[in-house]
Amino acid sequence: KQEVTQIPAALSVPEGENLVLNCSFTDSAIYNLQWFRQDPGKGLTSLLLIQSSQREQTSGRLNASLDKSSGRSTLYIAASQPGDSATYLCAVGPSNFGNEKLTFGTGTRLTIIP
Amino acid sequence: DAMVIQNPRYQVTQFGKPVTLSCSQTLNHNVMYWYQQKSSQAPKLLFHYYDKDFNNEADTPDNFQSRRPNTSFCFLDIRSPGLGDAAMYLCATSTTFKGRGVGARFGQGTRLTVV
Repeated sequence: KQEVTQIPAALSVPEGENLVLNCSFTDSAIYNLQWFRQDPGKGLTSLLLIQSSQREQTSGRLNASLDKSSGRSTLYIAASQPGDSATYLCAVGPSNFGNEKLTFGTGTRLTIIP
Repeated sequence: DAMVIQNPRYQVTQFGKPVTLSCSQTLNHNVMYWYQQKSSQAPKLLFHYYDKDFNNEADTPDNFQSRRPNTSFCFLDIRSPGLGDAAMYLCATSTTFKGRGVGARFGQGTRLTVV
């Protein structure tokens, strides 16, 4: 059974710093990996999608990497801003079903200090 | 703008009184999912539709049912809500393009309170 872990559970950094969020998964047979952002009381906003054949994806100040063999992904946020404060979740899709049946980590709650 | 819309955003229901949550999408995605997310926990898949085919997770209680009358709409029915069913319910959609998943798109969620 796939398990996804995100450490740390919470992180506070001063505004302007670069930071890295970590995600690890136990079964490397994944189809893709997504990073999501969740604001309090809201749904999930997709940030980046990495297919299993890819090593990284970039969108603006965000860069996500994927190392399937080691079961790890990182989300790099450059020049952090207070508006980046949210919970960040990673989720993996199993190889059998495409991106259905996502398995989520419990997230990292990020606070950017002005 | 193509999107996933959940109604209502907040729902309060009485213990044991049936409740229905709705989800609509303008993305024309063929797969729709319902996830349950309790406070500070990871979203947990309840079931999903692949086109018209319903797929239930093994540990989803019988109290939870779903309907998908057409491509655009999907409903979550909770037949007899208990206090433990209070949670955020998230609807999501996905599809494939040229053999690759395009990633799941989520709605804003429905926060269910059971009193």
